Amino acid sequence: DVKVTQSSRYLVKRTGEKVFLECVQDMDHENMFWYRQDPGLGLRLIYFSYDVKMKEKGDIPEGYSVSREKKERFSLILESASTNQTSMYLCASSAPGSSYEQYFGPGTRLTVT
Amino acid sequence: SQQGEEDPQALSIQEGENATMNCSYKTSINNLQWYRQNSGRGLVHLILIRSNEREKHSGRLRVTLDTSKKSSSLLITASRAADTASYFCATGDISSGSARQLTFGSGTQLTVLP
Repeated sequence: DVKVTQSSRYLVKRTGEKVFLECVQDMDHENMFWYRQDPGLGLRLIYFSYDVKMKEKGDIPEGYSVSREKKERFSLILESASTNQTSMYLCASSAPGSSYEQYFGPGTRLTVT
Repeated sequence: SQQGEEDPQALSIQEGENATMNCSYKTSINNLQWYRQNSGRGLVHLILIRSNEREKHSGRLRVTLDTSKKSSSLLITASRAADTASYFCATGDISSGSARQLTFGSGTQLTVLP
């Protein structure tokens, strides 16, 4: 079974803090994704990566950056957390040449106060 | 950008009834997928239908795809209380790059009452 894990289920941070969200997958997938999920808005793609050290902006990259130093790990960084970044963050991975099926982690609910 | 739009936004039915959810999308797609999300958890892949397919079954799930109308439906037959969850459609666009990113809709919240 594919397993995607995220470093925290719940996280509370203060405005202005630098926040790291970690995601690890164990299936040797090339593609990894970070989404945020807000009520009524569905999932919105923040960043994705199709290879080590490669990254592409999604639909809402502002205020975020990412790092992919190893194939299995994809980190989302909030450089200076703001209250409007309070959200559920979901990481996913998929295999290349697949039919796009994505495997998701359990999510991190981030609250910025 | 949001591609899929689910309808209805919320659906409440009795156990044993069938549940039907619809999804509309805007661009040309390679495939369409349905995912399920239990409250506060990640998404789980349910079923994928390719653009050259019209109908697909998996257990109690039936998915249809009408590319001329750019729409899909997910039917869950003989629903159970454990089917209570949010259901999302996601499209794999023909124009997406090698990473094969998906575009998700805003979801249908299904409640199955015992």
